[in-house]
Amino acid sequence: LAKTTQPISMDSYEGQEVNITCSHNNIATNDYITWYQQFPSQGPRFIIQGYKTKVTNEVASLFIPADRKSSTLSLPRVSLSDTAVYYCLVGEIRAAGNKLTFGGGTRVLVKP
Amino acid sequence: DAGITQSPRHKVTETGTPVTLRCHQTENHRYMYWYRQDPGHGLRLIHYSYGVKDTDKGEVSDGYSVSRSKTEDFLLTLESATSSQTSVYFCATTLGTGINSPLHFGNGTRLTVT
Repeated sequence: LAKTTQPISMDSYEGQEVNITCSHNNIATNDYITWYQQFPSQGPRFIIQGYKTKVTNEVASLFIPADRKSSTLSLPRVSLSDTAVYYCLVGEIRAAGNKLTFGGGTRVLVKP
Repeated sequence: DAGITQSPRHKVTETGTPVTLRCHQTENHRYMYWYRQDPGHGLRLIHYSYGVKDTDKGEVSDGYSVSRSKTEDFLLTLESATSSQTSVYFCATTLGTGINSPLHFGNGTRLTVT
């Protein structure tokens, strides 16, 4: 399983863009990248997923460079409610969830 | 999310007693998972199921057993609870495998073993 490395924590202010970079140097050809968000006292929630280049949805954007050894989750114009822990996971394209490993995540604190 | 209900939400029990946690889903997802979350360890997979009566061990399965007699229910049993099993337990499901089947989590069960 590809190991991921993320910053432990990040602080930001309301209205700013938050970018969280995840390193996955030994990502395999069949691996895809998924990000989850977790609020206190809740289970993680799927945010976005991608294989290469850029993926955007209503919540976030995911940037993956050509070598795929890292990825960056971008949260535009954050609000206080975006304070959460964000997890980067790398897993095989055809595998079930049991093949995914959660790391320690990045704790994002959005300040007023 | 994905109609996942975990029960109980909170439980305090004594060392040596058996404990069963229940996960119920209404989305007919094939795969179900039990994780535990502890400070400094993120989420770790305990057991998972890939169909009725089909289960397998995860990363930290010692001291735990599971059963899945119906698609919608996945039970986690601590055979003889220990203080090291004090944790928050999350159930998750996926519809299938791969890139279009992200994990859907319940809201967790906080278990304290005294």
